[in-house]
Amino acid sequence: AQSVTQPDIHITVSEGASLELRCNYSYGATPYLFWYVQSPGQGLQLLLKYFSGDTLVQGIKGFEAEFKRSQSSFNLRKPSVHWSDAAEYFCAVGRPGGYNKLIFGAGTRLAVHP
Amino acid sequence: EPEVTQTPSHQVTQMGQEVILRCVPISNHLYFYWYRQILGQKVEFLVSFYNNEISEKSEIFDDRFSVERPDGSNFTLKIRSTKLEDSAMYFCASSEDGTNTDTQYFGPGTRLTVL
Repeated sequence: AQSVTQPDIHITVSEGASLELRCNYSYGATPYLFWYVQSPGQGLQLLLKYFSGDTLVQGIKGFEAEFKRSQSSFNLRKPSVHWSDAAEYFCAVGRPGGYNKLIFGAGTRLAVHP
Repeated sequence: EPEVTQTPSHQVTQMGQEVILRCVPISNHLYFYWYRQILGQKVEFLVSFYNNEISEKSEIFDDRFSVERPDGSNFTLKIRSTKLEDSAMYFCASSEDGTNTDTQYFGPGTRLTVL
């Protein structure tokens, strides 16, 4: 069965520090992979997605993610975190085909210290 | 930028009552979804909807749940005979064409509290 694991429930970083949020997936074939962010009171906003091709994907707000098939991972990175990045981050896997149902990880809550 | 909207932001109901959660998807989108997130748990898929029909539903989406697109703009989730365990944040999403590379756009959610 498809599943997504985000091992870190909470992460705290200092503003300006680098960030890496981990995501591992279980899927029988190459999945479609997504990172969403949820700020308080807001909906889930897509940061980036991977379908095929270059395994390093660039997204909005300076985020990037790297697909590593051998590790079944799709970790999210940002070289320098801003206080406004404090939010909850969700990794999701989509099943190829129409009516794409997304399967989400449990989320990682990011706190940023000034 | 177009966005998905949801009303109300918070709904409180008594166990056994019926609730209707409302969503206005992005106007040119054709595929609609409901997800829910019980506090402290994962976001879970409930149902997808296309061309006035359910495309797929999860085991959570039992016969107490129904979805409808009553007009050209709204997409609703109805829960009859609500239970305590229905308490959750419910997210509506929409996508343009439902293909492999399509993106689902999410609304801000409705927090449902069943007392």
